[in-house]
Amino acid sequence: GAGVSQSPSNKVTEKGKDVELRCDPISGHTALYWYRQSLGQGLEFLIYFQGNSAPDKSGLPSDRFSAERTGGSVSTLTIQRTQQEDSAVYLCASSPMFRGEGYTFGSGTRLTVV
Amino acid sequence: GESVGLHLPTLSVQEGDNSIINCAYSNSASDYFIWYKQESGKGPQFIIDIRSNMDKRQGQRVTVLLNKTVKHLSLQIAATQPGDSAVYFCAESYSGGYQKVTFGTGTKLQVIP
Repeated sequence: GAGVSQSPSNKVTEKGKDVELRCDPISGHTALYWYRQSLGQGLEFLIYFQGNSAPDKSGLPSDRFSAERTGGSVSTLTIQRTQQEDSAVYLCASSPMFRGEGYTFGSGTRLTVV
Repeated sequence: GESVGLHLPTLSVQEGDNSIINCAYSNSASDYFIWYKQESGKGPQFIIDIRSNMDKRQGQRVTVLLNKTVKHLSLQIAATQPGDSAVYFCAESYSGGYQKVTFGTGTKLQVIP
């Protein structure tokens, strides 16, 4: 597609439930990133996929968070047993190369855990 | 650890004036810097970037200045317009290793009509 697409745009879930957030990167972009943005905060790195290399999961805050990228394209971020502190905007970005050049962000998924 | 911080969380500027948004970075090994603009309800949008072998780079109405001596980055917006109202993030990365981009907290720019 023309841009990075994220779905859903908004998600309200009950504490303890699992959620899946989806990211469709720009076609041909080999790098895909997930960030989390809490209200009034900067962007917190979560995970990075680059081609067929093992993903960098160093930013995942706990083992409740996981992500996968199928076929080098679509990515899913899963949060298990959601907690209220997981409430944030989850942003996905893709890039044609490593360095963040040409980073294109999606509009994000606003997750609210009640 | 790495950190990128902004000096002013909110900046109010009269329409037509020039805006200057500042950023300090702590990783002296960082060699690539980016400014992003984030409008309400949207993801950050790339504005301009600069590599560490440059001191200045100009775009359309925007200029980025890099001072490696004091590890300072700034974004200048000429003739600020209401459409410039947004949160601006600086970001850094290092090409020598894993090239993850680290973002700062952001500065909110408010343009007064």
